[in-house]
Order: sequence, then structure tokens, then C-alpha cells
Amino acid sequence: QVQLQESGPGLVQPSETLSLSCTVSGGYIRSYYWSWIRQSPGKGLEWIGYIYYSGTTNYNPSLNSRVTISLDTSKNQFSLKLNSVTAADTAIYYCARAVNFDSWGQGTLVTVSS
Amino acid sequence: DIQMTQSPSSLSASVGDRVVITCRASQGIYNYLAWFQQKPGKAPKSLIYDASRLRSGVPSRFSGSGSGTDFTLTISNLQPEDFATYYCQQYTSYPYTFGQGTKLEIK
Repeated sequence: QVQLQESGPGLVQPSETLSLSCTVSGGYIRSYYWSWIRQSPGKGLEWIGYIYYSGTTNYNPSLNSRVTISLDTSKNQFSLKLNSVTAADTAIYYCARAVNFDSWGQGTLVTVSS
Repeated sequence: DIQMTQSPSSLSASVGDRVVITCRASQGIYNYLAWFQQKPGKAPKSLIYDASRLRSGVPSRFSGSGSGTDFTLTISNLQPEDFATYYCQQYTSYPYTFGQGTKLEIK
């Protein structure tokens, strides 16, 4: 049974970069698509983007210019960087597997505030 | 972007009832639709993919149907643990999008 676990700072300063990692256990990262999704009260569930194990990425155009998703197969991890954050980026961030999100991490709350 | 519209937004039902939640896509998505259940403070849990395929371990009282633009999630014989919020999601075109959610409450 694959398990995903998000990690990273819970508080980020406005205009700084939000950085999160997702560690995959119980399965290899060298397959599937791996996504980041966020959930905020104002906007519901929002797909941020994915990375395929080959390194191919696809991002939500609403965030495209600010997002980078990368993969570290040696650590069985993938990561999210979202730059120039504002209060609107405050949300619970989830990592998930596949395009139909068959497995999810527990989520991590990131608050953007000074 | 493909807009996913769920109805109703909220629903009250009793244990043992049968409920139907509808999800409509703003354009055709074939059968590339998933349903999720979310309880307070928890991550969404995958119930159904490809519109009608039940995930392993999900009770058979959950079922999904539809194709194109109109889809339904049916829960038969509601159990206390089924009271939660349900979301649909399309994965036919980028960006992947979710419905706004249907909150199922105990009557």
C-alpha cells in the first residue's frame, strides 16, 4: 500500500517561496504521475500540477509562471516550489498519485503571513 | 478550463437512505471522472475512477455512472460513516478540475 507524506514549513513570508516535499513509501516513484493539489476555503480543491517519473511536467496555467515540480528518485520524493506567494496561497497542500489521485498524503497547512 | 458543477451543494439524509449526487462537466470528458469522499480534517479518499470503477476496498453501496457531460454518484443504504463531503474531478484535459463539493449531512 503506497503512502505519501508531505513535509515543509507551515509558515511562509509574503513574496517568498513556498517549498514542500512529498515522500513516497511502499511503492516506487519511477512510475505514475505525481501531483500537487491544494485546498482553501475560498477556492475549493485546485490541481497545481504534476510530474511524470520521466521528468515531464504539466502545471495549472493559473499558477504556471510561479510553480516548479521536481523529482528525486534517489529519495523517492517529489517537490513543489511556488514563488512570490501571497495570502491567497494559504491552503492545505496535498500530494497525490496518478491523474485520478488514487492515493493522497495527509496534507500540510501552509500559511502565508508576515 | 472544464467547469465541474455538482448538485446539490448540500443534502440531508437518514441512515439507510439512497442518495444521488450529480456532477456535470462544461464539455465532454468521456468517462475520465473520479469521485472522492472527504471527512473533516482528512485528505480526500478516492472512491471511483473512470466514472464507474470502484476502488479496491470501497463498499459496493457506492456506485458511479455516466459519460460525456453527466455523471452520478449513488450511495445505497447510507451508513453513519458515509456522512462527508463528496467531490468529482475530471482528468481528460488540463488543468484537471474538481467540482465544488456536495456536503452530505445526517437528517
